[in-house]
Amino acid sequence: DAGVTQSPTHLIKTRGQQVTLRCSPKSGHDTVSWYQQALGQGPQFIFQYYEEEERQRGNFPDRFSGHQFPNYSSELNVNALLLGDSALYLCASSLDRDFLYNEQFFGPGTRLTVL
Amino acid sequence: QKEVEQNSGPLSVPEGAIASLNCTYSDRVSQSFFWYRQYSGKSPELIMSIYSNGDKEDGRFTAQLNKASQYVSLLIRDSQPSDSATYLCAVNNSGDDKIIFGKGTRLHILP
Repeated sequence: DAGVTQSPTHLIKTRGQQVTLRCSPKSGHDTVSWYQQALGQGPQFIFQYYEEEERQRGNFPDRFSGHQFPNYSSELNVNALLLGDSALYLCASSLDRDFLYNEQFFGPGTRLTVL
Repeated sequence: QKEVEQNSGPLSVPEGAIASLNCTYSDRVSQSFFWYRQYSGKSPELIMSIYSNGDKEDGRFTAQLNKASQYVSLLIRDSQPSDSATYLCAVNNSGDDKIIFGKGTRLHILP
């Protein structure tokens, strides 16, 4: 049973650049959520995608955008990178019909460093 | 602002003892409660979910929920060095997509 996968594992970018992170959900899951985790903090919700649409968004600027494909995989795009965007970016998958419980399973994450 | 509060630790517990991790949350309509374990440099791993008041046991882990007190805890029996990690408490409201996480408690099991 394939778990959540993310790519790349690590990325180094410079301020002002753009980055795209990718996620494939756990087999059988149809919903993807993205989180940002700064060092020493808990994950912070960025947004969630279901049926190829952004369903809910956390307190993140429009520089953060996403997409979900028909196969349920997802991308997170960040434009005009700032030093403060350096963090571990986590993708979590879940099953929409299980919304009452909303168990989310995380991928290994992408470590983004902005110089 | 919905909040989830945890003691950051570190919490040091001798091997074989019971580790007790605590969490409080601010939103009374919260419905689902989760404990994630996160090893240094790794992603969070879901170890327990609880939805009703009372205790839920899974192996060496017991989650306890008290909605009236807005309090959820995790007990780890027979603590092992491999239990040393950061434990994240997370809360979700029914129909809400996002999960709100606490900052985590660092647990250190002393051999």
